[in-house]
Amino acid sequence: QKEVEQDPGPLSVPEGAIVSLNCTYSNSAFQYFMWYRQYSRKGPELLMYTYSSGNKEDGRFTAQVDKSSKYISLFIRDSQPSDSATYLCAMSDSSASKIIFGSGTRLSIRP
Amino acid sequence: DVKVTQSSRYLVKRTGEKVFLECVQDMDHENMFWYRQDPGLGLRLIYFSYDVKMKEKGDIPEGYSVSREKKERFSLILESASTNQTSMYLCASALLNYNEQFFGPGTRLTVL
Repeated sequence: QKEVEQDPGPLSVPEGAIVSLNCTYSNSAFQYFMWYRQYSRKGPELLMYTYSSGNKEDGRFTAQVDKSSKYISLFIRDSQPSDSATYLCAMSDSSASKIIFGSGTRLSIRP
Repeated sequence: DVKVTQSSRYLVKRTGEKVFLECVQDMDHENMFWYRQDPGLGLRLIYFSYDVKMKEKGDIPEGYSVSREKKERFSLILESASTNQTSMYLCASALLNYNEQFFGPGTRLTVL
C-alpha cells in the first residue's frame, strides 16, 4: 500500500464549478500537508501549505486536513481554464526532512 | 523569484551511455534534490544534497550518482543508461524548509 493515495483522474469540469481534489494517507506521523500545481511541461510549484488539521484559505483555494480520517482536500472555487493542471498532494512528518508526494490528479476546466 | 534551471528539456541517449543532467539554482539554497516522475508513480526522490559535497540517497538511488561541487549546481549522473531510466527528471531546491521546494522545468530523458 502506498503511503499517499491520489486519484489520477483525469477530472474534467465546466468553468465556474467547484472542484474537489483529495488524497488519503496511511502514516499518522504526517504533520505538514502541501498541494503543488504542475502545468504541462513545467515543474511543480507550491500552491498551499498547511500544518496539522484544519482549513486554510487563499483566494479561490481552500486546503482542508482531517487527520482523524487521514484525508486531505483541495477545493477550487469559481474554477478557471487557467486552473487546468496536475495537482499533487504532498506531506511530511514533524521533522520535515522528507516529502512524500501523491501521484497527482490531472484537472481540466472546460470553458 | 527563485529560479531553478535544468540543462536540457529533452534528451535522447543510447543504452550504456553515460548521461549528465545538470541543475542550477540562483537563490543560494542549501538543499537540492533530484526526482524522477513517472505516470502513476508520482515523484520519487533519487538523491538530495544539504550542502556542498554532501549527498544522501533517496528512495531510488540505484543506477544513479550525484555531484555537488558548488552550492548552486547539482548534477545527476547515469553511469550506464538503461531503458528503464526513461523518465522525466526534476530538480528542486529549498532553503531551510524541505516542504517548500522550488522545481526546475524538468528534463525528459529517453533511453533507446
